Amino acid sequence: EDQVTQSPEALRLQEGESSSLNCSYTVSGLRGLFWYRQDPGKGPEFLFTLYSAGEEKEKERLKATLTKKESFLHITAPKPEDSATYLCAVYNQGGKLIFGQGTELSVKP
Amino acid sequence: DTEVTQTPKHLVMGMTNKKSLKCEQHMGHRAMYWYKQKAKKPPELMFVYSYEKLSINESVPSRFSPECPNSSLLNLHLHALQPEDSALYLCASSQDSRDGETQYFGPGTRLLVL
Repeated sequence: EDQVTQSPEALRLQEGESSSLNCSYTVSGLRGLFWYRQDPGKGPEFLFTLYSAGEEKEKERLKATLTKKESFLHITAPKPEDSATYLCAVYNQGGKLIFGQGTELSVKP
Repeated sequence: DTEVTQTPKHLVMGMTNKKSLKCEQHMGHRAMYWYKQKAKKPPELMFVYSYEKLSINESVPSRFSPECPNSSLLNLHLHALQPEDSALYLCASSQDSRDGETQYFGPGTRLLVL
């Protein structure tokens, strides 16, 4: 069964304390892995799409990487405004975008 | 521009009311989606429209009725909802409905059913 699992469920960091979020997936034939950021009560904001193992993408303090089994979202020197829930998603065999449960990130000043 | 707009932002309705949620995009995307999201949970797919035709209905109750008047607009008509239907309703769009296309989400409509 196609599945996406994110860890940890919640992460508390001090401002400037770098860390990584994990997204492991099992899907037959990866057709893209997507990272989104979601603020409370708002829609998911697109961050990155990764298509093949070894691919990396960066945006400001965020860097996403992809292997054959998992993806990492690295956050370098985070700021309080990086606090949000980060969602990872892949397309399953039926063509649906399926999401992990998300990692709730809190960055304290 | 990767903007999807949704109206209204908030909606409170009784169980006997009829209301509609609206979604609009001007990116030339040919696939549009409705998702439902409960608190602390990921979005769940409800409907997919591809080239203005309904292509996926995730066994959603008939009290939710989608409509795609043209390639830029998507509506969700609501009738006789239940309190458990209270949630954030998200619209998304993508270039088309092929696997691998990035979906762009709107800000959502927060629905409360009393």
